[in-house]
Amino acid sequence: NAGVTQTPKFQVLKTGQSMTLQCAQDMNHNSMYWYRQDPGMGLRLIYYSASEGTTDKGEVPNGYNVSRLNKREFSLRLESAAPSQTSVYFCAGRGPRGRNTEAFFGQGTRLTVV
Amino acid sequence: GQQLNQSPQSMFIQEGEDVSMNCTSSSIFNTWLWYKQDPGEGPVLLIALYKAGELTSNGRLTAQFGITRKDSFLNISASIPSDVGIYFCAGPSGGSNYKLTFGKGTLLTVNP
Repeated sequence: NAGVTQTPKFQVLKTGQSMTLQCAQDMNHNSMYWYRQDPGMGLRLIYYSASEGTTDKGEVPNGYNVSRLNKREFSLRLESAAPSQTSVYFCAGRGPRGRNTEAFFGQGTRLTVV
Repeated sequence: GQQLNQSPQSMFIQEGEDVSMNCTSSSIFNTWLWYKQDPGEGPVLLIALYKAGELTSNGRLTAQFGITRKDSFLNISASIPSDVGIYFCAGPSGGSNYKLTFGKGTLLTVNP
């Protein structure tokens, strides 16, 4: 099992460009998450999907959209990238039982917006 | 939104020393999770706590679920250089078991 796989690992965008960060898991997770990590800010929840077909906003959803394409895949889209979105983005999966089970993280996507 | 407050923000210790860090919330948590993040990697779960008062160990790590359900503690005994990293507390927040919220982390540096 590969676990939680994020692509790309690194990306540089110009302000105003759009892109989609991909996340796929093969651990049969019901719930999936997107976090961003900035120095001194910890992990902040952008969006999450409790189960296939549902998505909900986290703490910092502005400027992002998500799609739970199927049970395995949860993508994060930046429609018009801004320098403030320079960050490390982590995808995570949780479940299948959902309740109180640990979240497994991908390796991260390091995004720079210039 | 619901916040998890971790302290200290950073620690510099000598190899062999014991370490304590804690996490507090203004709201009750039903689960406390402690994660470690190595440089360039995603966080990895160390210990999960599910009941108030619970004390759980994982090797040299011990974590406790506070009786008030608003705090948790993580202790590391006899630290070694590979303990270096960022330690996060986390838990389901906002009345949802699915909304997993993290604290800002404690950065641990261990001097050999």
